[in-house]
Amino acid sequence: QVTLRESGPALVKPKQTLTLTCTFSGFSLTTNGMCMSWLRQPPGKALEWLALIDWADDKYYSASLKTRLTISKDTFKNQVVLRMTNMDPVDTATYYCARIRGPQHAFDIWGQGTMVTVSS
Amino acid sequence: DIQMTQSPSTLSASAGDRVTITCRASQTIYDWLAWYQQKPGRAPKLLIYKASRLESGVPSRFSGSGSGTEFTLTISSLQPDDFATYYCQQYWRYTWTFGQGTKVDFK
Repeated sequence: QVTLRESGPALVKPKQTLTLTCTFSGFSLTTNGMCMSWLRQPPGKALEWLALIDWADDKYYSASLKTRLTISKDTFKNQVVLRMTNMDPVDTATYYCARIRGPQHAFDIWGQGTMVTVSS
Repeated sequence: DIQMTQSPSTLSASAGDRVTITCRASQTIYDWLAWYQQKPGRAPKLLIYKASRLESGVPSRFSGSGSGTEFTLTISSLQPDDFATYYCQQYWRYTWTFGQGTKVDFK
């Protein structure tokens, strides 16, 4: 069974760095075609893709947030980590990790999401 | 960046209705289009990928069509479990963009 679970702080202060961890099971990120992404959804708003890392350790970022994001993976721990610097109240959202399986370029498995509030 | 525009934003329907949601891309994305269902407080669920391919385990009343810049999601006979928000998502050159969502609620 494939599962994803996000973890990280529920509250961060403005200008701080957010670090989120996605722990997954049921598949390997070393498998050709496997990719993991981070996405977010502000309350009552649409989904936004943030970053992706693939089985070959190639990384891709949203153009609008590229300077603030770093995605990395630990294949031994089955974890993917997202760092977002210089947090602002507009970054308040539910953050999801999700998998892309093979060449479909669609997110087939999602974590339950973790709500992050940015406030002083 | 490619923009995705969904219509309508809200759709009121009854159980048993045939429902169609449209998604338009600001430039051609060939068939790199997916559809998701999201219920309040839950993560999105993949329904359709590559414009028309039904994800495993998704009921056959859901179908997708289109290519280029115009796409549709159709629910052939709306069931009580289908009242939710639906999002389209495009892929093009290592960017993924979502539409603003269509909420399907009770008429």
